[in-house]
Amino acid sequence: EAGVVQSPRYKIIEKKQPVAFWCNPISGHNTLYWYLQNLGQGPELLIRYENEEAVDDSQLPKDRFSAERLKGVDSTLKIQPAELGDSAVYLCASSLGLAGEVDTQYFGPGTRLTVL
Amino acid sequence: KQEVTQIPAALSVPEGENLVLNCSFTDSAIYNLQWFRQDPGKGLTSLLLIQSSQREQTSGRLNASLDKSSGRSTLYIAASQPGDSATYLCAVSPTNDYKLSFGAGTTVTVRA
Repeated sequence: EAGVVQSPRYKIIEKKQPVAFWCNPISGHNTLYWYLQNLGQGPELLIRYENEEAVDDSQLPKDRFSAERLKGVDSTLKIQPAELGDSAVYLCASSLGLAGEVDTQYFGPGTRLTVL
Repeated sequence: KQEVTQIPAALSVPEGENLVLNCSFTDSAIYNLQWFRQDPGKGLTSLLLIQSSQREQTSGRLNASLDKSSGRSTLYIAASQPGDSATYLCAVSPTNDYKLSFGAGTTVTVRA
């Protein structure tokens, strides 16, 4: 079974340019997460979807970041405009969405963004 | 806010030595604690999950313990191998919540 797929794996852009990351979760997983991982740190949650609904976007910097999961399957995270401080790895994860049970998250390989 | 700390930040050992990785957290009201492995350029792989009612979990050469009262977890890797070289992160989730709070990780190098 395929795992969480992310593309691109690497992206280099100039500051002030827009950038988008794509994630395809494991088939059948209702919950999707986007995390930000800075160098030498653990991942931090940006946004969580249950099907197509963003149920927690409290940590998403909404002035420049946006995300969508239109059909409740794959998702796109966008930054516009990018800043130097946005250089990081963006991780996508998915889970079955089991209420009241341990709901294991499965992570994709991430997209490494470098903003010059 | 839950704070998760992992010490040391990096560790280098010769092959065959046992590894001991530490994780501490500030809020003992946790739902579960997980240990993940992250290889360079790759995502996170879950190694062990300890629910709050449990004290330890074992998988092969890996054993993780949880002491909620002291806010600590320890990951033991027996008879280390070069293939164990990676960054190990611990994460806790609060009671009945999906959110994971991660530590910064311990980067392990096992020398052949």
